Amino acid sequence: QQQVKQSPQSLIVQKGGISIINCAYENTAFDYFPWYQQFPGKGPALLIAIRPDVSEKKEGRFTISFNKSAKQFSLHIMDSQPGDSATYFCAARSGSNYKLTFGKGTLLTVNP
Amino acid sequence: DADVTQTPRNRITKTGKRIMLECSQTKGHDRMYWYRQDPGLGLRLIYYSFDVKDINKGEISDGYSVSRQAQAKFSLSLESAIPNQTALYFCATSGPGNTEAFFGQGTRLTVV
Repeated sequence: QQQVKQSPQSLIVQKGGISIINCAYENTAFDYFPWYQQFPGKGPALLIAIRPDVSEKKEGRFTISFNKSAKQFSLHIMDSQPGDSATYFCAARSGSNYKLTFGKGTLLTVNP
Repeated sequence: DADVTQTPRNRITKTGKRIMLECSQTKGHDRMYWYRQDPGLGLRLIYYSFDVKDINKGEISDGYSVSRQAQAKFSLSLESAIPNQTALYFCATSGPGNTEAFFGQGTRLTVV
């Protein structure tokens, strides 16, 4: 049972464009929603995160939009740069044991 | 030095062999995790440990075992490796709320 569904699997964007990655979850016990960024040959690293009591969080060019009623959240990368090319994982944290459940990942390629 | 160090970084082993992947962390966190990454499947939790005396199975623990030798050390063993255990393995550590997981650089394991 896939508890966090992520789409698209891959995404190609031109430099300066907007990258959008979507995730949906089923378990209403999730209480924290981070996004991780992974460059080739490296481990994932926390990029940005949101709690369900807010609808949007912005850090620089990265914004999370959160829709609690729809159980969906998305990552928006404004003014996408070639250096943003990486794999992005959404995740959801269980409120009971704080385990993370990850989406399957999105490979983002930003063309110069 | 990296916060989370995994050894070896790459390993090729034969079917049926026993292999151990080691992980150490300098974050001082109690929680440690082992994940497996496969293309298109994202990060899946194998085992996790909330402290030295606590070991828990994740979603894909069959064929794996772990040992928490100290707060800073958490090893993953494949008792009898099989080809479908070929994957990228990540160790991670986090604080009590798991608001940020710190990942190692991964071990690429190939079972032939």
